[in-house]
Order: sequence, then C-alpha cells, then structure tokens
Amino acid sequence: DAGVTQSPTHLIKTRGQQVTLRCSPKSGHDTVSWYQQALGQGPQFIFQYYEEEERQRGNFPDRFSGHQFPNYSSELNVNALLLGDSALYLCASSLDSSTDTQYFGPGTRLTVL
Amino acid sequence: GESVGLHLPTLSVQEGDNSIINCAYSNSASDYFIWYKQESGKGPQFIIDIRSNMDKRQGQRVTVLLNKTVKHLSLQIAATQPGDSAVYFCAEKTAVVKAAGNKLTFGGGTRVLVKP
Repeated sequence: DAGVTQSPTHLIKTRGQQVTLRCSPKSGHDTVSWYQQALGQGPQFIFQYYEEEERQRGNFPDRFSGHQFPNYSSELNVNALLLGDSALYLCASSLDSSTDTQYFGPGTRLTVL
Repeated sequence: GESVGLHLPTLSVQEGDNSIINCAYSNSASDYFIWYKQESGKGPQFIIDIRSNMDKRQGQRVTVLLNKTVKHLSLQIAATQPGDSAVYFCAEKTAVVKAAGNKLTFGGGTRVLVKP
C-alpha cells in the first residue's frame, strides 16, 4: 500500500522565482492538505483540496496556490519567493468519508537564497 | 486565538522508563486530537488519535489521555526505547461542518531524548 509521496525532495531557488511542489496521496485517499513547517516549529496549515477544489485555507498570502487533479494528486505553487518561504513543505492525505486522520509525506525541503 | 501548545520543549528519559508528553489546547470546540512523531529529516508519523467523546485510548505501547475539563492532552509511552527519540507534536481539529474542511492546528513540539 503506497504511502504519501512528494517530489522533489530538496529544492533551491532564488528570491522572486516561482516553485511547484508535487504530492501523491496515500492509495484510496481523496483529500490533500498542505502544510509549511519552519525549522524548529510545528506545521502550519496552508490549504486543503477536495474534489479538485480548495475548500479550506490558512493564513497564507495569495502567492501560495494549489491544484488537485482528477487522480487526487496535488500541486503547491509559490510565486515571488521570499527568503521567509524557506521551510519544509508537507503534504498530508486523508479520506473525506472516513476519519479525520491525516497521513503525511516526507516533505520537500525548499531553500530560498 | 486558537492554539495548541506543549509544556515541555525537551524531555530526557532513561531507556526502559515511561515517558509522558503533555499538551494544552485552548479551543473548547475541538473534537479530534492526534499525536505525531517526527524524526529528523522525515515527515510527521501518525501515532494515535482520540475524539472528544473519549477520555482514554490505548495503542501499542502508547496511551493518549484527554481531559476536557482543563483542556489537556497527554501521550504516554511505555518502556521507552532508543527508537522513540524524536520530536512529538499534538494537533487538534476544530469541530466544523465536514464540508468546510478538517485542518489540523499543531503545537510547537516536544523533543524526547532517550538515554541508554
């Protein structure tokens, strides 16, 4: 049973650039949530996708956007990168019709120079 | 605002002893709580969860206790092993209409160090 997968593992960008991160949910899951985790802190909720729509959003600027595809995989896009966007970006998947348990992927480490 | 916090940032425990990690939450509307373990360089790993209609739930070597009166959550690890060394996070979900989403709010984490 495949768990949550994310790509790439690591990424280095410069200020002002744009980045796209990818996530494949756990087999059978239909809901994808994205979190940002700064070094030494707990994950912060960015947004959640279900049925290809963003249905919940945290306190992140519009530079952060996403997409969910018919196969439930998802992308996180960040435009006009800032130094403060450097973090571990985590994807979590869950099954909407079931419990609220969210399972996390290994994350993508983004460094903005 | 709504937050989930932890009392102890670092916990050192002797191998074989029991560990207790505490967490306070502020949102009385929260109806679901979950503990995650995060090892260095990895994503959070699900340990155990509990709903607000329960006071206690047990898993393999782990027990979660929920005290809604004082809004307190704890994770007990029995016979702590070196492999238990990690950062532990508690998280809460606020009760909302399911269609509105089920985001998790995390605390800052507690580092557990197991001494041989």
